[in-house]
Order: sequence, then C-alpha cells, then structure tokens
Amino acid sequence: DAGVTQSPTHLIKTRGQQVTLRCSPKSGHDTVSWYQQALGQGPQFIFQYYEEEERQRGNFPDRFSGHQFPNYSSELNVNALLLGDSALYLCASSMPGQGLNGYTFGSGTRLTVV
Amino acid sequence: RKEVEQDPGPFNVPEGATVAFNCTYSNSASQSFFWYRQDCRKEPKLLMSVYSSGNEDGRFTAQLNRASQYISLLIRDSKLSDSATYLCVVNTKNQAGTALIFGKGTTLSVSS
Repeated sequence: DAGVTQSPTHLIKTRGQQVTLRCSPKSGHDTVSWYQQALGQGPQFIFQYYEEEERQRGNFPDRFSGHQFPNYSSELNVNALLLGDSALYLCASSMPGQGLNGYTFGSGTRLTVV
Repeated sequence: RKEVEQDPGPFNVPEGATVAFNCTYSNSASQSFFWYRQDCRKEPKLLMSVYSSGNEDGRFTAQLNRASQYISLLIRDSKLSDSATYLCVVNTKNQAGTALIFGKGTTLSVSS
C-alpha cells in the first residue's frame, strides 16, 4: 500500500519563476493538506483540499494556490517565487472518521529558490 | 504570541538519561494534541497522541494540562536512536475543517 507520494523530491528555481508541486494521497484518503517547512522551523499549514475545493487556508499570500483532482491527488502552485519560499513542502493526506492519528505525511519536496 | 511554543533546545544528553520537553499553546479551543518526531531531512511522523489523563508508550510519557494549556513529553532511558527533532502539535477544528499547528521543534541529541 503506497503512502503519500510527492514529486519532484528536489528542485531549484529562480526568483520570479513559478513552480508546481504534486502529491498523491495514501490509498483511501480523500483530503490533502499542504505545509511549508523552512529550515529550523516547524511545518506551517498552507491549505487543505477536500472534494476538489479549498476547505481551509493558513496565513499564506495568494501567490500560493492549489488544486485537487477527482482522483484526490493535488497540486501546489507558487507564483513569483521569492528567496524566502525556499523550504521543504510537505503534503499530508487523511480521511474523515479516521481522526488525526491517520494523518500521513509524504517525504516532501525540497524547493530552493536562487 | 505564537500558537505553539516549545523549549528552544537543543538538548544534549547521554544514553540512559531522562529528558523532558515542554510545550504551551495559545488557543484554548484546541482539541487534539500530539507529539511528532522528525529525523533530519525527513517528514514528520506521529510519535503519540496526548490525552488529558496522560498516556504512556514504552519509554515515552505524554501529559496534557488543559487549564494551563501545557503539554509535555518525557523520554526515559534515552537511546541513541531517539536523536531527532520533537514537534509539539495541536489541532483546532472549526467549520472549515482541521489543520495541524506545529511548534518550532526541539532537537534532541543522545550521545554514547
């Protein structure tokens, strides 16, 4: 049973560019949440998708947007990249009724903005 | 004030030591509480949930004090393999859904 899969694992982008990160949730999970973890910090909640809609959003600018597809996979898009966007981006999946004990993280995408 | 605050660390302890981590949270509506473990350059993994009655899992004991909005994790008989960053996590549910709020993490280094 595959867990949460994220791609790519690493990438390097230039300031001002746009980036798309991808996440496939664990089998049976229908909710996807995205987190940003800067070096030396804890993960910070970006947003959560359920039934192809953004259900909840953290304190991130509109440059951060997302999408969820009918197969529950999700994308995180970041426009006009800044140096400060360099971080580990984590995707977590879950399903209703399972509680947060079932919350599963992917291994993340490490984004470096130069 | 940050929503979840932890001891800054790092904690450097010898094998066999007992170490305690503390955490406070600011939102009294928080409903669920967890400790996660994160190894270097890896994803966070759930270590244990934290209940008001306190709970134990082997060498690990977690405590929650809702009145003080305080969470703790005690590790007894530390092993080299316990070296990691420990993240205090709370969840506050609202109509929109749920999201985990993480502390900054406390790094533990166990040496032989």
